[in-house]
Amino acid sequence: AQSVTQLGSHVSVSEGALVLLRCNYSSSVPPYLFWYVQYPNQGLQLLLKYTTGATLVKGINGFEAEFKKSETSFHLTKPSAHMSDAAEYFCAVGFLTGGGNKLAFGTGTQLKVEL
Amino acid sequence: DTAVSQTPKYLVTQMGNDKSIKCEQNLGHDTMYWYKQDSKKFLKIMFSYNNKELIINETVPNRFSPKSPDKAHLNLHINSLELGDSAVYFCASTFQGASYGYTFGSGTRLTVV
Repeated sequence: AQSVTQLGSHVSVSEGALVLLRCNYSSSVPPYLFWYVQYPNQGLQLLLKYTTGATLVKGINGFEAEFKKSETSFHLTKPSAHMSDAAEYFCAVGFLTGGGNKLAFGTGTQLKVEL
Repeated sequence: DTAVSQTPKYLVTQMGNDKSIKCEQNLGHDTMYWYKQDSKKFLKIMFSYNNKELIINETVPNRFSPKSPDKAHLNLHINSLELGDSAVYFCASTFQGASYGYTFGSGTRLTVV
């Protein structure tokens, strides 16, 4: 079954420091991978996605992620954290089942940005 | 604005009551979902409809009944509410196909007292 594991339920960085949020996937077929962000009391917003092609994917708000098949990873990075990046981040894998299109989410990583 | 909109945003109700949450999308998507987010932020799929047809029905108590009058609308009716139903319920939509991401609504925070 397709799944993702997010390492670290809480990550704290200083403003201006590198952000690294880790995600590993398990998939029996080439995966479609996503990162979503959830700000307090809001819905989930798509940051970026990997489907096929270039393994380094750029998203909104300066985030990017690299698909590494050999490591089954899709880590999210941002060179310089901003206070406004504080939020919950979810990695997800998309796949087709007999019943249709599904997204399976990781358990989320809370990013805290400190002055 | 193109979006997925849910109503109501907040819902506080007593145990045993019946309540409904409505969802509408104007993105032209053909597939809609209900997800439940618990207090630990874990997201779990409940139902999925494709062109008004139920295609995913996870292990959800039958007190929960989704209805899709057309492909732009997906409602969730909950009977005999229990304390454990307290959560944030998200509606989402997409095109059929695993490479598409979902567009989420802003959520309905249900509190059962």
